[in-house]
Amino acid sequence: NAGVTQTPKFRILKIGQSMTLQCTQDMNHNYMYWYRQDPGMGLKLIYYSVGAGITDKGEVPNGYNVSRSTTEDFPLRLELAAPSQTSVYFCASNTGNTEAFFGQGTRLTVV
Amino acid sequence: RKEVEQDPGPFNVPEGATVAFNCTYSNSASQSFFWYRQDCRKEPKLLMSVYSSGNEDGRFTAQLNRASQYISLLIRDSKLSDSATYLCVVNPYDYKLSFGAGTTVTVRA
Repeated sequence: NAGVTQTPKFRILKIGQSMTLQCTQDMNHNYMYWYRQDPGMGLKLIYYSVGAGITDKGEVPNGYNVSRSTTEDFPLRLELAAPSQTSVYFCASNTGNTEAFFGQGTRLTVV
Repeated sequence: RKEVEQDPGPFNVPEGATVAFNCTYSNSASQSFFWYRQDCRKEPKLLMSVYSSGNEDGRFTAQLNRASQYISLLIRDSKLSDSATYLCVVNPYDYKLSFGAGTTVTVRA
């Protein structure tokens, strides 16, 4: 089973560029999450979704957008990349009150 | 106040030692609790769920104290391979999983 798949694994962006981080899961989970983790820090919730068509902001949503057109996919969009968005991004999914499964992460550097 | 707070450590212990640390949470309505392990900023992986009555998984024991709003993790007979960052995860009623910043454990030979 693939579980949660994130692409790309690594990316370098120039300031002001845009990109989409892809996340897909094959476990039929309703809940999906995007987190960022800065060096030496914990995971901070960017956006989450409780089902197709429903998304909501987390702790640090500024500079990001998401969509959830299907149960499987939950892409994260960065519109105008800034150095402060240099981080490791993790996508996760679960059934709500159960353990979350994580993708392998996307290491993003904005220069 | 942060939703989930952990002692960051680091805990530096010899092989075979016992190490324990806690995590406190602020939302009394939280419904489920987990300990995750994270190696070198790779993806977090579930170590164990935490149940109200406390539970063990091999050398790992987790406890939940709802009255004082904390969970704990105890590692017995530490192995070199236990060196990692341990993340406390709390799932409140709105299902926005909250993570602690992590407790770093280093087991030395």
